[in-house]
Amino acid sequence: EIVMTQSPATLSVSPGERATLSCRASQSVSSNLAWYQQKPGQAPRLLIYGASTRATGIPARFSGSGSGTEFTLTISSLQSEDFAVYYCQQQGTFGQGTKLEIK
Amino acid sequence: EVQLVESGGGLVQPGRSLRLSCAASGFTFDDYAMHWVRQAPGKGLEWVSGISWNSGSIGYADSVKGRFTISRDNAKNSLYLQMNSLRAEDTALYYCAKDGLQWLDDYYFDYWGQGTLVTVSS
Repeated sequence: EIVMTQSPATLSVSPGERATLSCRASQSVSSNLAWYQQKPGQAPRLLIYGASTRATGIPARFSGSGSGTEFTLTISSLQSEDFAVYYCQQQGTFGQGTKLEIK
Repeated sequence: EVQLVESGGGLVQPGRSLRLSCAASGFTFDDYAMHWVRQAPGKGLEWVSGISWNSGSIGYADSVKGRFTISRDNAKNSLYLQMNSLRAEDTALYYCAKDGLQWLDDYYFDYWGQGTLVTVSS
């Protein structure tokens, strides 16, 4: 069973700054990784799939990179609506989430 | 517009059964795999089960294997989850989610419903 580990658990960043979230797989998953954003009281929203392909309607400030076991979600210039919990996912396994909060 | 509307949740005693439904619209239902994903209160996301476009491939999380059964009716654009022998740890918001692909290969979830709450308690 593949384990997905996200870091950090909580990330404090100021609006307008860059945020970098990490996800590590316990074994290689090639480029088969997705990222989701979840705000309180809402369903998750797909941001990135295939490690680096933005989903429909996702702003260009969101980008994904990585392959194998190391992946990164970068938000280039944080907007107020970006503060949320972010999950990575590979097949039937989600990471535990990173809470992105306002500094 | 893609819409996924879950129903069937509620309060149920341990050991009893419940059947969840998901009504899909706004896309060609039988072109895509579908999934159930749950989220316990205050916790993260947990994949529960997935089914390919033609029901030819089905998968379950170890935590529900042998107790839950996923199915779909392409004529009715509907997805189901039959949950038997429910436990307190099954308490969660259950989301219906559309796959970006037909088969259970490298799946991801491009659209989600708003969820239906299942509470298992005596």
